[in-house]
Amino acid sequence: AQSVTQPDIHITVSEGASLELRCNYSYGATPYLFWYVQSPGQGLQLLLKYFSGDTLVQGIKGFEAEFKRSQSSFNLRKPSVHWSDAAEYFCAVGSFGNEKLTFGTGTRLTIIP
Amino acid sequence: GAVVSQHPSWVICKSGTSVKIECRSLDFQATTMFWYRQFPKQSLMLMATSNEGSKATYEQGVEKDKFLINHASLTLSTLTVTSAHPEDSSFYICSAIDGTVNQPQHFGDGTRLSIL
Repeated sequence: AQSVTQPDIHITVSEGASLELRCNYSYGATPYLFWYVQSPGQGLQLLLKYFSGDTLVQGIKGFEAEFKRSQSSFNLRKPSVHWSDAAEYFCAVGSFGNEKLTFGTGTRLTIIP
Repeated sequence: GAVVSQHPSWVICKSGTSVKIECRSLDFQATTMFWYRQFPKQSLMLMATSNEGSKATYEQGVEKDKFLINHASLTLSTLTVTSAHPEDSSFYICSAIDGTVNQPQHFGDGTRLSIL
């Protein structure tokens, strides 16, 4: 069965510092990978996605993620965080022909001035 | 593009009543819509998948008679929580896809349901 692990429940970083959120997946087929962000009381917004090709993908709001098949990882990065980046971040996995997504448990990001 | 609207955003009602939540794709035709439930500080739990014009497919452990899903058109799916009780209080989120290859799910803003 497919699964997604986000090992960090909560991360606190200073504004302007770099950020890396970890995501590991377990999936039998070739995975499609996603990062979504959720502000309190809101739905999910897609940050970026990986289907195939270049393993480093660029997303919105200055985020990027790198797919590493050998490590079954899809970590999200941002070189310099802004206070508005404070939110909950979810990694998700799916595959071609399987429309369902499996979500990780999320990482809550807190930004300190 | 790819906007999904969910209504209402917040509803409070008495125990025993039924509540309907709407999920609309505003600028695309949604061949498939998904309904999720999210408990506080937890991840999304898929409840069911609905395809336009056919019966929804429910995940294991989700009561289909409790959570009625209708996907009558390519732009609208509804979730009705029947005879709601306090334990049904939660955040419900829908998402939609347009059926084209390699397109992600687009999410609504969610509905916070509080049953008194």
